[in-house]
Amino acid sequence: SQTIHQWPATLVQPVGSPLSLECTVEGTSNPNLYWYRQAAGRGLQLLFYSVGIGQISSEVPQNLSASRPQDRQFILSSKKLLLSDSSFYLCAWSDGRGGLYQQYFGPGTRLTVT
Amino acid sequence: KNQVEQSPQSLIILEGKNCTLQCNYTVSPFSNLRWYKQDTGRGPVSLTIMTFSENTKSNGRYTATLDADTKQSSLHITASQLSDSASYICVVSADSARQLTFGSGTQLTVLP
Repeated sequence: SQTIHQWPATLVQPVGSPLSLECTVEGTSNPNLYWYRQAAGRGLQLLFYSVGIGQISSEVPQNLSASRPQDRQFILSSKKLLLSDSSFYLCAWSDGRGGLYQQYFGPGTRLTVT
Repeated sequence: KNQVEQSPQSLIILEGKNCTLQCNYTVSPFSNLRWYKQDTGRGPVSLTIMTFSENTKSNGRYTATLDADTKQSSLHITASQLSDSASYICVVSADSARQLTFGSGTQLTVLP
């Protein structure tokens, strides 16, 4: 069966510090991978989308970047965090062969920028 | 602009009671509609997914309905349990995995 991991679960970082959140998927190959952000009481906002190694699409301009160095690894980064980057970050995957693109979410990372 | 509106924003019910959550959308083109359950501080978990041709789908005590003509969906929870306390999110998909529009969710609290 497929599983998706995210770490860390929680993170407190000072303004201006770098960020690296990691997401890995097991039990599938060539998945579509996604990074979402969820503000409190708000809907999920798609940040990045990847259909393969090195292929990243950015959905909204921001202070963040994403990379996919391996087939089942997706990394969310920032060189300098802003207070506004505080949020709940979710990684998700879907079957890269298409269909209904049912998405499966990771447990999330709660980021607080102080 | 594609939008998904959910109501009510929050709901409190007693354990054992039934409830119905609403979702109205203006997403076009339409591919499918999903309901997710999200426990506090956790990732969303899929409950149901319905395509244009489906008007009802069940998953245990959860039953989702879809009216593609009026662009409305509902999620009915039967015999609620304390573990049903969560946010329920309606998501509408256009033609691809990137074209998902998320509702803000209904926060359900089940009290003993």
